[in-house]
Amino acid sequence: AQKVTQAQTEISVVEKEDVTLDCVYETRDTTYYLFWYKQPPSGELVFLIRRNSFDEQNEISGRYSWNFQKSTSSFNFTITASQVVDSAVYFCALKATGRRALTFGSGTRLQVQP
Amino acid sequence: EAGVVQSPRYKIIEKKQPVAFWCNPISGHNTLYWYRQNLGQGPELLIRYENEEAVDDSQLPKDRFSAERLKGVDSTLKIQPAELGDSAVYLCASSETGAGNTIYFGEGSWLTVV
Repeated sequence: AQKVTQAQTEISVVEKEDVTLDCVYETRDTTYYLFWYKQPPSGELVFLIRRNSFDEQNEISGRYSWNFQKSTSSFNFTITASQVVDSAVYFCALKATGRRALTFGSGTRLQVQP
Repeated sequence: EAGVVQSPRYKIIEKKQPVAFWCNPISGHNTLYWYRQNLGQGPELLIRYENEEAVDDSQLPKDRFSAERLKGVDSTLKIQPAELGDSAVYLCASSETGAGNTIYFGEGSWLTVV
């Protein structure tokens, strides 16, 4: 069985603050992939990043960074200097090689106030 | 390159009526998914196709839901008859074949059953 937990239901920050979205996952597979998606009010799920279970190197893309720690089964997402356009629901998801479909967390709603 | 295209974007129907959703995946993507997203939750898989074969339909409520992908490209998801609890966003997604490939989503079809 696979499970993704996003304990933060909603986060509100003021523009330019840094914010970290937590993601904890469970799987028995040794090979798996982790994803983050952004869902703005329009509803489309926008792909942000994919990591495989063998690559624990942290990644930075502009104001976005991701911290993958296999020891704690976590894949956290940090937005530096948040902007109003970052306001959305963010989903963490897991895909194991056995079941080739994404298992999503319940999402974290981020509101960035001007 | 065009993304995943879905229609209709919005649909309001009375309970017990039928409804159908259509999806055109990204060109060259052999894997197609239908997900359902209830309000405030993450998407959940309904069915996954590899070409025209439904390889994972364990979560599809087969008494009222059906899906097809006759030529391995476009897909249709049907609900008959609809119930109040079917109100949700129905998301279509596609990917290249392979466990680690990224899954890309359409904008979704928002269904309200009254």
